[in-house]
Amino acid sequence: QSVLTQPPSVSAAPGQKVTISCSGSSSNVGDNYVAWYQHLPGSAPKLLIYDNSNRPSGIPDRFSGSKSGTSATLAITGLQTGDEADYYCGTWDSSLRTGVFGTGTKVTVL
Amino acid sequence: QLQLQESGPELVKPSETLSLTCTVSGGSISGSSYHWGWIRQPPGKGLEWIGSMHYSGGAYYNPSLKSRVTISIDTSKNQFSLKVNSVTAADTAVYFCARRYAAASTGVHNWFGPWGQGTLVAVSS
Repeated sequence: QSVLTQPPSVSAAPGQKVTISCSGSSSNVGDNYVAWYQHLPGSAPKLLIYDNSNRPSGIPDRFSGSKSGTSATLAITGLQTGDEADYYCGTWDSSLRTGVFGTGTKVTVL
Repeated sequence: QLQLQESGPELVKPSETLSLTCTVSGGSISGSSYHWGWIRQPPGKGLEWIGSMHYSGGAYYNPSLKSRVTISIDTSKNQFSLKVNSVTAADTAVYFCARRYAAASTGVHNWFGPWGQGTLVAVSS
């Protein structure tokens, strides 16, 4: 059972914006840095955002991350059909002394 | 470009040991800032952190799995491995290996990338 809560699904039309929330607690999101991953079933998950808001090279600036208190947010602007995937947040939990992932959010492009 | 590839049996019998190997190419497993980790995804469920290890020997395991899991590194082969003992049907999952960045400053930096494609391991008699 994940300690990080995400909405099960979000959707929007092509070109629009979606945001995905990741709600945790002071021992995980509140105290540590958050990463975001994109996972197309059957393929390798891809790192989208690290350290709350940094993008690895090759990740378009349509993807952005932010954090406030015990919640983090991933925003995807200019939504494309290729963005249809599952998205997960991840961080470290200082109390559990282990990494943790969010429950996952399915993005659907209408 | 760093690449990771999982390998191992696709079917394991209940109560036996699940063993997987991750081969790293395009870079050295002995990089100082990186750990090497395993993540799994049961069918229809989300990602679960299994554990990670630094080539110098330090390891972290998910407390819920710690009693049954061992991660090891073979720097001579540029590989790392996962063993899960006493498996049950609940251990059926796609298992991913990945490079983990881990550091501590005003908080813990913790992210995985790149990842392997994943391998489905079924536990069944």
